[in-house]
This record gives sequence, C-alpha cells and structure tokens, in this order.
Amino acid sequence: GAVVSQHPSRVICKSGTSVKIECRSLDFQATTMFWYRQFPKKSLMLMATSNEGSKATYEQGVEKDKFLINHASLTLSTLTVTSAHPEDSSFYICSATNSRKDTGELFFGEGSRLTVL
Amino acid sequence: QQQVKQSPQSLIVQKGGISIINCAYENTAFDYFPWYQQFPGKGPALLIAIRPDVSEKKEGRFTISFNKSAKQFSLHIMDSQPGDSATYFCAASIINTDKLIFGTGTRLQVFP
Repeated sequence: GAVVSQHPSRVICKSGTSVKIECRSLDFQATTMFWYRQFPKKSLMLMATSNEGSKATYEQGVEKDKFLINHASLTLSTLTVTSAHPEDSSFYICSATNSRKDTGELFFGEGSRLTVL
Repeated sequence: QQQVKQSPQSLIVQKGGISIINCAYENTAFDYFPWYQQFPGKGPALLIAIRPDVSEKKEGRFTISFNKSAKQFSLHIMDSQPGDSATYFCAASIINTDKLIFGTGTRLQVFP
C-alpha cells in the first residue's frame, strides 16, 4: 500500500536553532501534503497545506515565518521549524494523498517528535 | 462549523465486548468520514471510512454507522481485543479538499 515516510523520527535541538523535518511519499505522487501538530494526549491540529510548486497555505494562528514549508517535488515536502523554542516541542505529522486517485484517503507518516531544550 | 465533536474521551472495555465511539459534525459540506487508529508515538493509520451515501459500512470487526439527518457517525468495534487498545480519531473532510478535521480522540483500553 501507499507509504509516507518522515525523517527524522526524533530530534532534540537547542533553543534558537532550526530543525528540518522531511516528508516523503514513497510509492505515489502527492501534489498536496499536509502538516499536523499533535500535543501529548491531544488531537491533530492542521498547521498547513503544502502544495507542490507553490506556496503553502497556513491555518489561522500558524506563523508562516516560524514554520517554513517547502514542497519542491511531487514526493517531498519539508517543514523547517525556525529559531525553535521549548514551546515548539511537539509531535509533527505529515500526510499525503495520492494525486491519481479520487478516494480522499490520506496516508500519514510515522511522525517526528521534536524536543527543544 | 468546522468542529467534529467526539465522545467519550476514554473508554474501557472487556475483551470480547463492543466498543462504541461517537462523533458529530455541523458542516453539511463534509462528505468523507474516516476513522483513524493511533498507537503511542506513531502516526494515525486509516481504519475505515464512509461516504454519506450509505448508512453503514463494515470491515471485519469494525463498523461505521452514519446518520446523515442527525449529522452523527459512530465506530463500533466488535469482539474487542487487547490489541485494539489505542487512541481513535474520527475525522471529516470535503473530499476534493482532502483537508481533514479531526475529532478530539478516544483512548480505548481493552482488558483481558
């Protein structure tokens, strides 16, 4: 079946540094990918919609300069948390849908746990 | 309008019992209703999904019941097993947008 891969699965960084998280669709093309954030024991909150070849669309309240999204190809989207602070510590999850199928099914990555010290 | 309300927040079921999780929505434009299962430290995995043109869909031990007029849908897990212990999220989207709105989640614990 379709697989979405995220890397790294865990990252620890110092406050003030930037961290990049990759999301790849391994066996299908994805013109659109989504980035979610999940706090412990909470639901997934959509942060932004990543569109291949164009600017990402951010949800209300999400700082686009803080969370940089790049969707350079049909199989790769990246999320960069810039100047990270402890409050950015969270579980970040991407998802993608197969552009060629009109099923609406979203495939999720395994998530990336960011800890900012 | 964009919210999906989910209940209960947590659920404890004995092995072999039926687990029932409920969700309700307001936006009548939603036309795709999936359920996701999430284990700790992992991403959500699609369990089963339904479109509003049917009232029920069954896949193995998992059944979605959908009530369009009440704007409610529920997940039933028959013969619940300890391996089903996880957090379950309902979600809704307008299919052409692929933009999922998640419920608040239900933590299911199945005891042997």
